[in-house]
Amino acid sequence: DTEVTQTPKHLVMGMTNKKSLKCEQHMGHRAMYWYKQKAKKPPELMFVYSYEKLSINESVPSRFSPECPNSSLLNLHLHALQPEDSALYLCASSQDQRGRVGEQYFGPGTRLTVT
Amino acid sequence: GQNIDQPTEMTATEGAIVQINCTYQTSGFNGLFWYQQHAGEAPTFLSYNVLDGLEEKGRFSSFLSRSKGYSYLLLKELQMKDSASYLCAVQSNTGKLIFGQGTTLQVKP
Repeated sequence: DTEVTQTPKHLVMGMTNKKSLKCEQHMGHRAMYWYKQKAKKPPELMFVYSYEKLSINESVPSRFSPECPNSSLLNLHLHALQPEDSALYLCASSQDQRGRVGEQYFGPGTRLTVT
Repeated sequence: GQNIDQPTEMTATEGAIVQINCTYQTSGFNGLFWYQQHAGEAPTFLSYNVLDGLEEKGRFSSFLSRSKGYSYLLLKELQMKDSASYLCAVQSNTGKLIFGQGTTLQVKP
């Protein structure tokens, strides 16, 4: 199983809503990532979890709150978002954060629209 | 600083060969990766280079010269389905992937 799954596929939310994005992998990977991708731009790293601990936070606003309940799951909690936060949110995983970690497996993404 | 450059767009003909170049200047280097991304889809891993030289994988090959901060992705026998964005990414010492802006390749019949 070399799959990273993400739910939901699409999400429309108002600026006062609270929602969560979910990501799951069963490859035994110990590093998991959240990226944000705007149209025609490369993915931008938001957070990295390594062995279920937050390893990197790329100065992301606090309205985005990551959570790693166990080694297979990664959540991104959203609250009081702005329209400019509309983007494709990608989850990825890799064997480890270091070594040959660039072989990150990406999930299909959640297309988020903030109204 | 971190800088990864690749052409914005390229066009090639079905059946031909195309080379997509990537130059980089990064603080720390732990490998260079190429990803393919079709519109509206997630990036998929194509290749990884950490030592100088050529890595071949079917129709796709990737080359790295660390002393020159240079890599290229070579696509042979182009097919229409190869029309996509190709992302060059350098892995820093912390494991973080730094992506270039991507090259949009259009394959024409």
